[in-house]
Amino acid sequence: DSGVTQTPKHLITATGQRVTLRCSPRSGDLSVYWYQQSLDQGLQFLIQYYNGEERAKGNILERFSAQQFPDLHSELNLSSLELGDSALYFCASSPRVGPNDEQFFGPGTRLTVL
Amino acid sequence: EDQVTQSPEALRLQEGESSSLNCSYTVSGLRGLFWYRQDPGKGPEFLFTLYSAGEEKEKERLKATLTKKESFLHITAPKPEDSATYLCAVQAARGNYQLIWGAGTKLIIKP
Repeated sequence: DSGVTQTPKHLITATGQRVTLRCSPRSGDLSVYWYQQSLDQGLQFLIQYYNGEERAKGNILERFSAQQFPDLHSELNLSSLELGDSALYFCASSPRVGPNDEQFFGPGTRLTVL
Repeated sequence: EDQVTQSPEALRLQEGESSSLNCSYTVSGLRGLFWYRQDPGKGPEFLFTLYSAGEEKEKERLKATLTKKESFLHITAPKPEDSATYLCAVQAARGNYQLIWGAGTKLIIKP
């Protein structure tokens, strides 16, 4: 158990809908990362927050957004969902934002868009 | 362009048959190279961080090594429970410290 929690574990929804994924980082970690993992794409970095502020953006679609709250938990919002958004979504956390920080991953949320 | 390539894509071994997984990287200055293990449907689990060429780290049956262009994950006398996908990621010296991930090697150990 990494100490990172994610809810829900599974989510099934329809195209065009909007969902919110939630992540609680390890105690004391200030940095949160969101990743998407699909069968044909591998692990894709989406976005990073550090202590409530956006730190870095990866291959995140405009339909997706995220935020980190004062208690350091984070939410990833996915809207106008398409079939291709079906994937595992992982949250990871690390103590800081600097180099050489190991990232600790949560168990993931499996999103299925029908 | 920064890039990480892992080989082979998949590796099937008999229990006890030692082998190595490869992670080749091109990056403008390496801050660190990370190895993770991922079981199906679960989040990646951190294994090792290597910082400089010549460095080695060990954990049970796994040993990670680093050169200026690649890293190897050696697995000695593997057991079926070592079956997993092994992911490699590098952190470049420039930019915002984001990890660049390889596609992984799926390791299957047959009893």
